[in-house]
Amino acid sequence: KQEVTQIPAALSVPEGENLVLNCSFTDSAIYNLQWFRQDPGKGLTSLLLIQSSQREQTSGRLNASLDKSSGRSTLYIAASQPGDSATYLCAIHTNAGKSTFGDGTTLTVKP
Amino acid sequence: ETGVTQSPTHLIKTRGQQVTLRCSSQSGHNTVSWYQQALGQGPQFIFQYYREEENGRGNFPPRFSGLQFPNYSSELNVNALELDDSALYLCASSLGTSRSPLHFGNGTRLTVT
Repeated sequence: KQEVTQIPAALSVPEGENLVLNCSFTDSAIYNLQWFRQDPGKGLTSLLLIQSSQREQTSGRLNASLDKSSGRSTLYIAASQPGDSATYLCAIHTNAGKSTFGDGTTLTVKP
Repeated sequence: ETGVTQSPTHLIKTRGQQVTLRCSSQSGHNTVSWYQQALGQGPQFIFQYYREEENGRGNFPPRFSGLQFPNYSSELNVNALELDDSALYLCASSLGTSRSPLHFGNGTRLTVT
């Protein structure tokens, strides 16, 4: 059974700081890994998708890495801004259409 | 490109009642997945539909059922509602079953009293 853990559960940083969010998973037999952002009471917005054969993906100030052998992914956010404040979730996609999510890291960026 | 839309946005039901939630896929997507998200937790996979057939199911009882229509829109039905069913229900569409990204709607907030 796939288990996904995100640590820390909450993180508070001053504006402008670079930060790393962590995601670990127990079963390396994955199709891909997807990072999402969720604002309070809203749906999930896709940030980055990394296929199982890839090591990293970049979009603007975001960079996500994947190390299947160690069961880890990181989301790096450069030059954080107050608008980055949200909950960040990682999801592991496997066959049979099943996706397993972590409980998220709630990020607060203080002006 | 039309995104994923869900209706209604909010719903209040009484324990024991039945509810139907609706989802319209993003244009061009043939797969719909449903998730239940309790407060402070990550989404839990309920089931996925691919070309009108169920293609995977999470650990939810049979009173959670679904349908996908020829236009790839979908319904989630929950019978005999329980208080613990109160949650945000999220629908996600994708192209194919596992290798393409999920695109989520804004969810339906269900409250069972």
